[in-house]
Amino acid sequence: DTAVSQTPKYLVTQMGNDKSIKCEQNLGHDTMYWYKQDSKKFLKIMFSYNNKELIINETVPNRFSPKSPDKAHLNLHINSLELGDSAVYFCASSYRTGGTYEQYFGPGTRLTVT
Amino acid sequence: GIQVEQSPPDLILQEGANSTLRCNFSDSVNNLQWFHQNPWGQLINLFYIPSGTKQNGRLSATTVATERYSLLYISSSQTTDSGVYFCAVTSGGSNYKLTFGKGTLLTVNP
Repeated sequence: DTAVSQTPKYLVTQMGNDKSIKCEQNLGHDTMYWYKQDSKKFLKIMFSYNNKELIINETVPNRFSPKSPDKAHLNLHINSLELGDSAVYFCASSYRTGGTYEQYFGPGTRLTVT
Repeated sequence: GIQVEQSPPDLILQEGANSTLRCNFSDSVNNLQWFHQNPWGQLINLFYIPSGTKQNGRLSATTVATERYSLLYISSSQTTDSGVYFCAVTSGGSNYKLTFGKGTLLTVNP
C-alpha cells in the first residue's frame, strides 16, 4: 500500500529525447513536489503544486514542465534531454493546510541520459 | 536563503556503538525533518521535529530552535543504519519549501 509512488523507477534515454515521470500519492495530501538529487547526493526542490496550482518554481530550465491533473498526481515532463539532466528525481507530498507540513517522499526515478 | 550545515560529513562505526549527528541552520525555521536515505536510495522519514525532543526506538532527536541546531542520536547502531542522514528545514514565510543539508554518510561495520 505505497503512499507516494513514481514510475518509472529507472529511465535510460538519449540526448534530445522527451520523457515523462509520473507520481501519485494516496495520503490525501494537497501539496506535491519534485526534487532533484544530483550525483553528490544534494537534494534541491524544483517545483511544488497545491491543489493543481503551481506555488514553487525554482530556477529550473523551461525544458522541465510539471503538470498536475488532480491533487493526487504530479507529473514531470522533460523536453530535449541533456547529459546534465542525469540525476535521481524524487516526488514528495504533504499537507499545506489542516495538518503538519511533514513531507513524504517517493522511491525516486533514476534518469540516465546518454 | 537559509543555510543548513550537517556534521560530520562521514562517520564510520562498529556495530553497537552510539553516535550523534548535528544539523546547524542559519535562520529561524518553521519545520525541520530528519531523513535516512538507505543504500537503495529510499528517503525514509525519521522525525518531524521543529522543536523539542522525540524518540523512536533506538533513535531520538532534539531541536533547539532558539540556538539554531538539531541533533540526531543513534544508539546501539546496526548495519541496517548505514546510509545518508539528511536534515531539511523550511524557513521564512514558507512551510513547504524544504532546504536540505548535504548529509552525513554513516557506515556501520559488523
